Amino acid sequence: DAGVTQSPTHLIKTRGQQVTLRCSPKSGHDTVSWYQQALGQGPQFIFQYYEEEERQRGNFPDRFSGHQFPNYSSELNVNALLLGDSALYLCASGFTGGRGYGYTFGSGTRLTVV
Amino acid sequence: AQSVTQLGSHVSVSEGALVLLRCNYSSSVPPYLFWYVQYPNQGLQLLLKYTSAATLVKGINDFEAEFKKSETSFHLTKPSAHMSDAAEYFCAVSARGSQGNLIFGKGTKLSVKP
Repeated sequence: DAGVTQSPTHLIKTRGQQVTLRCSPKSGHDTVSWYQQALGQGPQFIFQYYEEEERQRGNFPDRFSGHQFPNYSSELNVNALLLGDSALYLCASGFTGGRGYGYTFGSGTRLTVV
Repeated sequence: AQSVTQLGSHVSVSEGALVLLRCNYSSSVPPYLFWYVQYPNQGLQLLLKYTSAATLVKGINDFEAEFKKSETSFHLTKPSAHMSDAAEYFCAVSARGSQGNLIFGKGTKLSVKP
């Protein structure tokens, strides 16, 4: 049973560019949440998708956007990259019938902006 | 509003000694509480969770935590540290019924000395 799969594992982008990160949820899960973890910090909630719609959003600018597909997989897009966007981006999946405590995290995508 | 404070960014113990990692939370609604572990260059692995059942929660690898409402605490303990326990530990809180919006502490790095 595959867990949460994220791609790519590592990525280097130039300031001002755009990036897309991908996440496949654990089998049976229908929600996907994205987190940003800066070096030496705890993860910060970006947003959550369910039924192909953004349901909750953290304190992140509109440069951060996402999408969820009918197969529950998700993408995180970041436009106009800044040096401060360098971080580990984590995807977490869950099941809405699990009452909010069945989150499974992927191994993350390490984004470096130069 | 919810928040988590982890006391001590770095804890060092000897192999075989008691592990105690401290977490205090703030929540205006009854919370769910979690402890996650993160090994270098990896994602987050759930150690245990409190979801309003027993206040003493047992997790994987002999870790346990006790929910104390009067102290707004959820400290993580393990009777005997192993070298393999060296990692970063994160405490997190979410509102009951919240799907995916975890608020994390800044983490505590645990070192285990031989």
